[in-house]
Amino acid sequence: EAGVVQSPRYKIIEKKQPVAFWCNPISGHNTLYWYRQNLGQGPELLIRYENEEAVDDSQLPKDRFSAERLKGVDSTLKIQPAELGDSAVYLCASSKDRDRTYEQYFGPGTRLTVT
Amino acid sequence: GQSLEQPSEVTAVEGAIVQINCTYQTSGFYGLSWYQQHDGGAPTFLSYNALDGLEETGRFSSFLSRSDSYGYLLLQELQMKDSASYFCAVRDNDYKLSFGAGTTVTVRA
Repeated sequence: EAGVVQSPRYKIIEKKQPVAFWCNPISGHNTLYWYRQNLGQGPELLIRYENEEAVDDSQLPKDRFSAERLKGVDSTLKIQPAELGDSAVYLCASSKDRDRTYEQYFGPGTRLTVT
Repeated sequence: GQSLEQPSEVTAVEGAIVQINCTYQTSGFYGLSWYQQHDGGAPTFLSYNALDGLEETGRFSSFLSRSDSYGYLLLQELQMKDSASYFCAVRDNDYKLSFGAGTTVTVRA
């Protein structure tokens, strides 16, 4: 069974530029999560999807971040414009459903550097 | 909101036993998960406790005391490959998982 796929793995951009991350969850997993992980910290939830519905986006900085999960499968997270403080690893995860939110499968992440 | 505390670093020798404690303050506590993350890698799920007591999975065990808002991960027969960061994470009744800052375990030969 294929794991969670993310691309790109690394991205370097200048501040004020846009950037997008893509995630394909494990087949059959209804719930998808985007996290941001700063160096030396645990992952912090940005948004959670159940199928195509965003059910928890309370931590998503909506002035510059947006996300979508059309058709309830793969998902895209966008930042526009990027700021220096956005440099971090962006992780995508999925779980079979919300009841199994305790057991999430993570992708390798996208390491974003904003210069 | 959620608040989790765990030690930042632990060092031990191969073959030793390490216990990583996690205390939490949370509203709507449902259960406690543990994840392992190697440097540059993805977090991987290790265990989950929803009820009080000990859960054993091979060399790793996890414990929960709901009345004490406390849990721990026990790593036995430490191997070099166990060098990684370990995160406790609280699952609340809104289906959200909130992670601690992580404990870096270094295993020495």
